[in-house]
Amino acid sequence: NAGVTQTPKFQVLKTGQSMTLQCAQDMNHNSMYWYRQDPGMGLRLIYYSASEGTTDKGEVPNGYNVSRLNKREFSLRLESAAPSQTSVYFCASSLDRAYEKLFFGSGTQLSVL
Amino acid sequence: KQEVTQIPAALSVPEGENLVLNCSFTDSAIYNLQWFRQDPGKGLTSLLLIQSSQREQTSGRLNASLDKSSGRSTLYIAASQPGDSATYLCAVNNNAGNMLTFGGGTRLMVKP
Repeated sequence: NAGVTQTPKFQVLKTGQSMTLQCAQDMNHNSMYWYRQDPGMGLRLIYYSASEGTTDKGEVPNGYNVSRLNKREFSLRLESAAPSQTSVYFCASSLDRAYEKLFFGSGTQLSVL
Repeated sequence: KQEVTQIPAALSVPEGENLVLNCSFTDSAIYNLQWFRQDPGKGLTSLLLIQSSQREQTSGRLNASLDKSSGRSTLYIAASQPGDSATYLCAVNNNAGNMLTFGGGTRLMVKP
């Protein structure tokens, strides 16, 4: 049982480069989320998708875009990476809403030089 | 704006001790609260979820309590083991929506 799968696990970018973080879940969950985790700042919500075909901004959406490709997949795109986006990124899913049990992926460690 | 605080930031105990981790929140109008465990280099695993109408939840050696009026939750770990070493985070949901507010976590080390 895979749960929530994120790729890649590690990535190094130069300032201005773009990349897409991929996330897929196999639990037939409706809601999916992207968080970033920074020392001293805790986890903060970037974007979420309450259902297939919908996306909404979270607490820190600037500099990111998302796509809910289908019910299983939710990708996060950095169009022009900045050093401030150096962080650990987590994808998560829940059956319907964040007030239900959340399942997390193992994370992507991103460094922007 | 909801703020969630976890004190202490780090805790080291000998194996076998019973211990309590604390979580406090500033806005008591929460919908529910979750406790998570995070191992180094890994994602978060949900341990317990307490609804606002509940006082506590138990799973094995873990017991989480909730006192909404005082803005506090505690995670009690009985008979701690080295395998319990991890970071424990609490998160609150205020309006049954899609936003969770996380605390900074308590890094627990259980020494053999």
